[in-house]
Amino acid sequence: SQQGEEDPQALSIQEGENATMNCSYKTSINNLQWYRQNSGRGLVHLILIRSNEREKHSGRLRVTLDTSKKSSSLLITASRAADTASYFCATDPGSSNTGKLIFGQGTTLQVKP
Amino acid sequence: KAGVTQTPRYLIKTRGQQVTLSCSPISGHRSVSWYQQTPGQGLQFLFEYFSETQRNKGNFPGRFSGRQFSNSRSEMNVSTLELGDSALYLCASSLGGLGMYEQFFGPGTRLTVL
Repeated sequence: SQQGEEDPQALSIQEGENATMNCSYKTSINNLQWYRQNSGRGLVHLILIRSNEREKHSGRLRVTLDTSKKSSSLLITASRAADTASYFCATDPGSSNTGKLIFGQGTTLQVKP
Repeated sequence: KAGVTQTPRYLIKTRGQQVTLSCSPISGHRSVSWYQQTPGQGLQFLFEYFSETQRNKGNFPGRFSGRQFSNSRSEMNVSTLELGDSALYLCASSLGGLGMYEQFFGPGTRLTVL
């Protein structure tokens, strides 16, 4: 079963605009990771944020984590056509659940040139 | 470092057959996790291996099994294939600490069951 829910399910923007995707989860976590997937290929790791962190940046990506609300957001600034992909959040539930990530259903982002 | 590799990339099998998929993790990574991705169910965890031991298992029937070798390479096997087993199978490698590390994914094996 999926722990996370992502919002919106689909997003279409113009190149140069910012894109924001949200993720909510249900149980406590060790960390939360964001991934990108292009057209049914493998997942590309974007960023990991630990449960004791509130914000993290990597290039044009900004991730926030609010453990009190069990939610995270991914912001892509100055989007490019190459950012068109599906984006997934994945939570590491920790405890005895070693090596297991629980994925949301993903947000499909289309960036129009 | 080379990334995670998976072979084969594509497979076509018929119902009732069995299949073995292979995954080579990033050098130095000792944990390998397997996931199934389908349009209906999304990404679901199959199992995780660390130092040749299965540490965690998802909710899949016993037809799905795996193993890990001393060089950390992993294989998963699906016996008595069903149409519903058609999916993209992804493996991910990690250093293996508890909840501390990123998982890096391979390109996947696309399995089609006819």
